[in-house]
Amino acid sequence: EAGVVQSPRYKIIEKKQPVAFWCNPISGHNTLYWYLQNLGQGPELLIRYENEEAVDDSQLPKDRFSAERLKGVDSTLKIQPAELGDSAVYLCASSYDRGFGELFFGEGSRLTVL
Amino acid sequence: DAKTTQPPSMDCAEGRAANLPCNHSTISGNEYVYWYRQIHSQGPQYIIHGLKNNETNEMASLIITEDRKSSTLILPHATLRDTAVYYCIVRVGGLENSGGSNYKLTFGKGTLLTVNP
Repeated sequence: EAGVVQSPRYKIIEKKQPVAFWCNPISGHNTLYWYLQNLGQGPELLIRYENEEAVDDSQLPKDRFSAERLKGVDSTLKIQPAELGDSAVYLCASSYDRGFGELFFGEGSRLTVL
Repeated sequence: DAKTTQPPSMDCAEGRAANLPCNHSTISGNEYVYWYRQIHSQGPQYIIHGLKNNETNEMASLIITEDRKSSTLILPHATLRDTAVYYCIVRVGGLENSGGSNYKLTFGKGTLLTVNP
């Protein structure tokens, strides 16, 4: 069974440019998460979806970040415009039972903003 | 806040048991202890979780003290591939508690375990 798939794996852009990350969760997982991980730190939750609904987006910087999960399957996280401080790894995870047992993470998308 | 305290780093010899401690003195009665690990350049991987009884699976054992204020993750025979950052997390468990901020899986900085040959 395929795990959580993320793309692109690496992205280098100049500041003020837009960027988008895509995530395909494990089939049947209704809960999807986007995490941000800065170098040397643990992952921090940006947004959590239950099916199509964003049930927790309190940590998402809404002035430049947006996310969507149309049809309750795959999801896109967008940054527009990107700033130097956005350089980080963006991790997507999914779970079946609202995360009670286990979250399954993708390999992440590493963003470098120049 | 992560609500847990872990040493920043530990070393272990290959083939020996690795014992990773975690303090969670403010844990609530309905909070579980979860352990994840993150190998370099990969996403975090679930290891094990427990409420108050000791737990064991194919990856590790989790020992929780009787007062639940601390726990230890045990890798019985560490290999070089176990070198990773290990995160101890406390969070509310159970579907009926899936809302609210204490439901979140909040990662701290974890413990970097280095297994040496």
